[in-house]
Amino acid sequence: ILNVEQSPQSLHVQEGDSTNFTCSFPSSNFYALHWYRWETAKSPEALFVMTLNGDEKKKGRISATLNTKEGYSYLYIKGSQPEDSATYLCAFKGLGYDMRFGAGTRLTVKP
Amino acid sequence: KAGVTQTPRYLIKTRGQQVTLSCSPISGHRSVSWYQQTPGQGLQFLFEYFSETQRNKGNFPGRFSGRQFSNSRSEMNVSTLELGDSALYLCASRLVKGRTDTQYFGPGTRLTVL
Repeated sequence: ILNVEQSPQSLHVQEGDSTNFTCSFPSSNFYALHWYRWETAKSPEALFVMTLNGDEKKKGRISATLNTKEGYSYLYIKGSQPEDSATYLCAFKGLGYDMRFGAGTRLTVKP
Repeated sequence: KAGVTQTPRYLIKTRGQQVTLSCSPISGHRSVSWYQQTPGQGLQFLFEYFSETQRNKGNFPGRFSGRQFSNSRSEMNVSTLELGDSALYLCASRLVKGRTDTQYFGPGTRLTVL
């Protein structure tokens, strides 16, 4: 069974706080790990695709790390802004398997 | 470049009816995947089409089917609708170049089954 778990389920932070979430996935048959941001009433938007153990990706104030040996990825947001409020999804692609999404972390940033 | 488009955006059907949803991928993208999202569930993979062939299928009953045309546009069909089929249906397209392919999602079709 390919379980992709995300924690926490939801998070409320103040503007300016830095925050991070976790995505756990199977450590075998790894192919790629995707992060998406999904704002209400919009389409999921791709943030990162990560393929190598130890990968670190950065886009503005958002960054992500990947550990394929232990099966986890962290997403960090530095200095959260209200416009960062969204659900953050990770998706695991295993060799020979379809894309499996986690249930997401819902982030609310209060001004 | 135009994004992924889905039609219709909203649909109301009754139990037992069938429905067809349409997805037009980004120009040049050859793969289209379909996902279902229901309240409390993450995105559930339905199927992926590439060059008019189904490559992968998720764990859904045979009432869910799809196809892809030569211009890469895809349709998804659900027959004998059940109340539990009420969901947001998303399609996503990608180029199919390699491991770092990004999926681009459409806005979704919200299906309500009464």
